[in-house]
Amino acid sequence: AQSVTQLGSHVSVSEGALVLLRCNYSSSVPPYLFWYVQYPNQGLQLLLKYTSAATLVKGINGFEAEFKKSETSFHLTKPSAHMSDAAEYFCAVIHTGTASKLTFGTGTRLQVTL
Amino acid sequence: KAGVTQTPRYLIKTRGQQVTLSCSPISGHRSVSWYQQTPGQGLQFLFEYFSETQRNKGNFPGRFSGRQFSNSRSEMNVSTLELGDSALYLCASSTRQGSTEAFFGQGTRLTVV
Repeated sequence: AQSVTQLGSHVSVSEGALVLLRCNYSSSVPPYLFWYVQYPNQGLQLLLKYTSAATLVKGINGFEAEFKKSETSFHLTKPSAHMSDAAEYFCAVIHTGTASKLTFGTGTRLQVTL
Repeated sequence: KAGVTQTPRYLIKTRGQQVTLSCSPISGHRSVSWYQQTPGQGLQFLFEYFSETQRNKGNFPGRFSGRQFSNSRSEMNVSTLELGDSALYLCASSTRQGSTEAFFGQGTRLTVV
C-alpha cells in the first residue's frame, strides 16, 4: 500500500532561514504526491502537487518540492521563512488508478522564530 | 466561488448519542470525501461519495456512515458515540471521482463527553 513518512514532527527555523520539511514515500508505482498546510482550527489547503510532470513543483506562498525517485523523496522547501508560515504541514499520496483517497503523513509542525 | 462548507463548526455530544455532520461541496464538484483527524491517529480516510454512491471506504466501524444527495451535498452520521470519536471531521470536494485535487472545508470539531 502507498504510504508517506514525514521525518520530524516539529521543525523550528528563524525568520528568513531556509525551510526544509522532509517526506519520503513508499510506492511500487509512480505516485501522486501532495503537500497540504493546516493553520490552527482550519481545514487543509493544498500547497502543491506532483503528478508525474515536472520533478520540481512550485506551489503557493513561495514553497516548492522536488520529486526524487532515486531517494523516494518529496521534500518541501522555502528559501526564506516568514512568521506567517507557522502551521502544520502534511505530505500525502494517492495511487494512480484509484479513487481520490489521500493517505497522509503524520504531519510536521513548523515554528518560525524571530 | 464559495468553498467547501461544513456545518456545524463545533459540536458537543454525549456518549451513546448519534450525530450528523453536513458538507456542501464547491459548486460543480461531484465527489465528496470525509476524513477524521485526531492527535493520536492523524488524518484518516473515512469514505468517498460520487454520484450518490459510496465509491471507497476506509477502515472504520459500521457506526460511521454517510450519504450523498443529488445536489452533491453529503452527510456523515456517527451512531452510538464513543469518547474516541472526538475529532476534527474534514470534508473534501473534487470535480470528479479520481481527481487529483481535493479542496477541504474548515471541518467540524466534534467533542464527545
